[in-house]
Amino acid sequence: GAVVSQHPSWVICKSGTSVKIECRSLDFQATTMFWYRQFPKQSLMLMATSNEGSKATYEQGVEKDKFLINHASLTLSTLTVTSAHPEDSSFYICSASITSASDTQYFGPGTRLTVL
Amino acid sequence: GDSVTQMEGPVTLSEEAFLTINCTYTATGYPSLFWYVQYPGEGLQLLLKATKADDKGSNKGFEATYRKETTSFHLEKGSVQVSDSAVYFCALTGPPSGGYNKLIFGAGTRLAVHP
Repeated sequence: GAVVSQHPSWVICKSGTSVKIECRSLDFQATTMFWYRQFPKQSLMLMATSNEGSKATYEQGVEKDKFLINHASLTLSTLTVTSAHPEDSSFYICSASITSASDTQYFGPGTRLTVL
Repeated sequence: GDSVTQMEGPVTLSEEAFLTINCTYTATGYPSLFWYVQYPGEGLQLLLKATKADDKGSNKGFEATYRKETTSFHLEKGSVQVSDSAVYFCALTGPPSGGYNKLIFGAGTRLAVHP
């Protein structure tokens, strides 16, 4: 149980284009979803937190206009990297919690983005 | 603010050796503590957790005890296998913010087990 999927698992795009990454909870309803970014051989950096039907809460230093997050349903959240540049290349990981107060997050397998 | 400090890697062991990965934390309040494992090219998997002092989390031969007096949550395994090679992250739940329980991660410790 508690499976989270991400799509695509990897994507290569040209500089200036936008890329959408989907995060789905497959066998549970996720009130809260989190988006992380991980640089090579480094830890996870929380980018934003979202509740279904609400605007995302972004961490300090994360550009909300560049990283658009939509949590349209209890099983789907999307992260859109707009006007991507090579410095946006990274491993993006989502996680989901059943409730906002839960201390357990279930992680997706990650999406590797490469911007040429 | 709350933080997690892990021993630097990589940790290189022979198969069947004893493993310890140190983790200490700084926190206000009483956080839950976690160990996550990340295999190459994959996301994180919850390995074990403990929610209060003196609790022991265990899974797949790994265990860790929540030590409030030493603010530690060291990960141990009696006999490692090659398949345990991965990056291990210690984490805690930070102070609730906006109603959310955020995870604060350590830097990760890479474990390499050779036959």
